[in-house]
Amino acid sequence: GAVVSQHPSWVICKSGTSVKIECRSLDFQATTMFWYRQFPKQSLMLMATSNEGSKATYEQGVEKDKFLINHASLTLSTLTVTSAHPEDSSFYICSARDRVQGGVWGAFFGQGTRLTVV
Amino acid sequence: GENVEQHPSTLSVQEGDSAVIKCTYSDSASNYFPWYKQELGKRPQLIIDIRSNVGEKKDQRIAVTLNKTAKHFSLHITETQPEDSAVYFCAATPLGSGGYNKLIFGAGTRLAVHP
Repeated sequence: GAVVSQHPSWVICKSGTSVKIECRSLDFQATTMFWYRQFPKQSLMLMATSNEGSKATYEQGVEKDKFLINHASLTLSTLTVTSAHPEDSSFYICSARDRVQGGVWGAFFGQGTRLTVV
Repeated sequence: GENVEQHPSTLSVQEGDSAVIKCTYSDSASNYFPWYKQELGKRPQLIIDIRSNVGEKKDQRIAVTLNKTAKHFSLHITETQPEDSAVYFCAATPLGSGGYNKLIFGAGTRLAVHP
């Protein structure tokens, strides 16, 4: 089946530093990947839609300059949290759709990254 | 934009009973409705989905129904088992999402199945 791998699984960083999170589709090509943020016991909030070879589309209220998204290939998208602050601490999770399996509309999720900013 | 409401937020049932989770959506153009199961500390897993041209879909003990007129869809789990305990999320895909099929999620339902 479709496998999405996300790294790292957890990261602790100091306030003011930047953190990069990778999302890879291992056995399929993903023209579109999505980045979500999930607070404890809450739902998944869509942050942005990442499209291979073009600029990401951000949801309202999400700071583009703070959450940099790059989708350089059909199997890799990255999210960089710049100048991280404690309020950025959260669970970040990516998902991807299989470009080939047009009949499979459901997105497959990575295992998520727990970011803690101290 | 699309808004998805999910009820109840928590649901407790006895093993063997049925569980029903309901969601409503606001964008009448939404055309795809998946359900995800998320166990503690794990990624969401797609368990069943339905498209707007279908009224009901079943897969063993789980089923999903869709009422396009009322803009609501429901997840039905029969003969519940303790391993069904998890958080369940519904989602909708607005047709106007530029073809990217982004998912807008409901708030989630925490299902507890007691032996």
